[in-house]
This record gives sequence, structure tokens and C-alpha cells, in this order.
Amino acid sequence: DAKTTQPTSMDCAEGRAANLPCNHSTISGNEYVYWYRQIHSQGPQYIIHGLKNNETNEMASLIITEDRKSSTLILPHATLRDTAVYYCIVNNAGNMLTFGGGTRLMVKP
Amino acid sequence: DTGVSQNPRHKITKRGQNVTFRCDPISEHNRLYWYRQTLGQGPEFLTYFQNEAQLEKSRLLSDRFSAERPKGSFSTLEIQRTEQGDSAMYLCASSLAQSTDTQYFGPGTRLTVL
Repeated sequence: DAKTTQPTSMDCAEGRAANLPCNHSTISGNEYVYWYRQIHSQGPQYIIHGLKNNETNEMASLIITEDRKSSTLILPHATLRDTAVYYCIVNNAGNMLTFGGGTRLMVKP
Repeated sequence: DTGVSQNPRHKITKRGQNVTFRCDPISEHNRLYWYRQTLGQGPEFLTYFQNEAQLEKSRLLSDRFSAERPKGSFSTLEIQRTEQGDSAMYLCASSLAQSTDTQYFGPGTRLTVL
């Protein structure tokens, strides 16, 4: 079973920030938080990952709470192309990924 | 394009036929994973290789399924005597064994069993 809980769906206005929450209250000390997204009929796309500190790359920012029990993926300026299912996964390096249901993000004009 | 390629992209077959899919990972990656995704669900793990060695297999991988990774480069996934329930997207991912071991996915092979 997936170790994360995410809202089933979210809407965001184009050009606004999309904030996608994830709860992972049973995360262990050596598990990373990974985010992937999947656009219809394509393979999952890696977005970002983190262990303890907040992370930022060209796609998104990842904010992890101090107790590591939850995190938020931030897409700073959402576009229509960001419409996808977003998966939050906690994982030890080298293990298979366990996908939950993810959050279906709909970016609207 | 992640650098992971899969062929074919689509396969339609009749029940009872055998099918084989190929995955070419990112060249320096030593780990290779197979996942299966049915409509409306997230991907589910099937099996995993480190170099040539198949290290883990899911209970989803019935005896009709076999995967190989000769020489630790590309991998093949074969399904024998296909059933309609095998219809799914078959995804391959690769990673470089290191502290974070991020997996990068290919575009998938969509199998339809008639």
C-alpha cells in the first residue's frame, strides 16, 4: 500500500501557483519524498525529490515540514501543460516505487 | 525525452499469443525496473534488475511473464499465452545506483489483448 495521502483532484488557474499537498506521516528517517507526474498516456515524469531540506529546480519547489510528515509541491506559474496526475511517493533509494492514486491537477484558462 | 526508450509503443494481439517488449535504459544506468499500469490506476511494480541480475519479482509477475536483461544493458519482458487481463501499459524505468537512485521512465508500451 502507498504510504502517502493526497487529495484526489485540484483545480488551478493558469498563471497562478499550484500547491499540491501530500501527507506521509509514517515516513522513516532514510526515506526520500519523490514527486512524479503523468500526463495522459505518457510515462511518469520525474519532477523533484527531497530528504529533509526544501528543494527547488527548474520545474518546481518541494517544501517538506520539519517533522517530515507532510510536504507540498509548488508549481510557481501553472500552465495548461501542467494538467496531469501528480504522484507523491516516499521511498528508500533502490526500492521499487509504490504509486498511490495521486492528485489530478486541472489547470484552467 | 528521458533517454529511456521502449518498443513497440503499441501492441495489439489476440488472446493466447506471445508478446515481447523491449526497454533500452539510459546508457550508464545499472538498475532497470518494469511496471504495469491499468486504466485509472497508478503504475504497479513487476520486477527489477541490477546489472544482469533479476533481484526482485512482484507476485503480479505470474509464470506466464518472464523478463531478462542479458549483458546488463537492454531488457525484454515476455508474456506467454496472453489473456485479456494482461491489457495494460507496460512501463520501464532505469536508475543509477547511488544515494537517491532516481528512476526515469520510458514512454511505455500499450498492450491490447483481443
